[in-house]
Amino acid sequence: NAGVTQTPKFRVLKTGQSMTLLCAQDMNHEYMYWYRQDPGMGLRLIHYSVGEGTTAKGEVPDGYNVSRLKKQNFLLGLESAAPSQTSVYFCASRGSGTGSGYEQYFGPGTRLTVT
Amino acid sequence: DAKTTQPTSMDCAEGRAANLPCNHSTISGNEYVYWYRQIHSQGPQYIIHGLKNNETNEMASLIITEDRKSSTLILPHATLRDTAVYYCIVRATGNQFYFGTGTSLTVIP
Repeated sequence: NAGVTQTPKFRVLKTGQSMTLLCAQDMNHEYMYWYRQDPGMGLRLIHYSVGEGTTAKGEVPDGYNVSRLKKQNFLLGLESAAPSQTSVYFCASRGSGTGSGYEQYFGPGTRLTVT
Repeated sequence: DAKTTQPTSMDCAEGRAANLPCNHSTISGNEYVYWYRQIHSQGPQYIIHGLKNNETNEMASLIITEDRKSSTLILPHATLRDTAVYYCIVRATGNQFYFGTGTSLTVIP
């Protein structure tokens, strides 16, 4: 199993450009998450999905959109990038159920710089 | 949502036990306590979780007080590879997890 993979690993954007970050998981997990992590900070939840075709806002959703057209993929879009969106983006997934089902598996991250 | 409080940083000598405390005084009865760690700039890694009872796995032990208002993560024999930021999380409402700033643990040779 590859687990959770993220594409791309690094990206530099100019202000106003758009891009899509791809997260893929091969564990048949229902839940998927997008977080951002700024220097010296913990992770903050952007958007999440509880199943194929569903999405919901997290703690810091402004400036981002997401889609979950296939169960294994969760896309994060930036329509008009801003320097404030410079960050490391992590994707995570987890299975359903109580207790151990809440363990999240994280991807390696995408480092995004907006100039 | 229950919040957690952790010390900003801690040191531990290599080979000794590392005891990382977490306060979660507003935890509700059905909320689990989770611990994750983040090594350098990698994605966070699950360590352990618990509800009421103490738990142990191959990585660590989790001690939860009887009133559930605090817990301690124990790494029994810390190695240099355990140097990381450790996050204590109480499951929030819905499906969201809230990560704080965690405890930066440095294992000293």
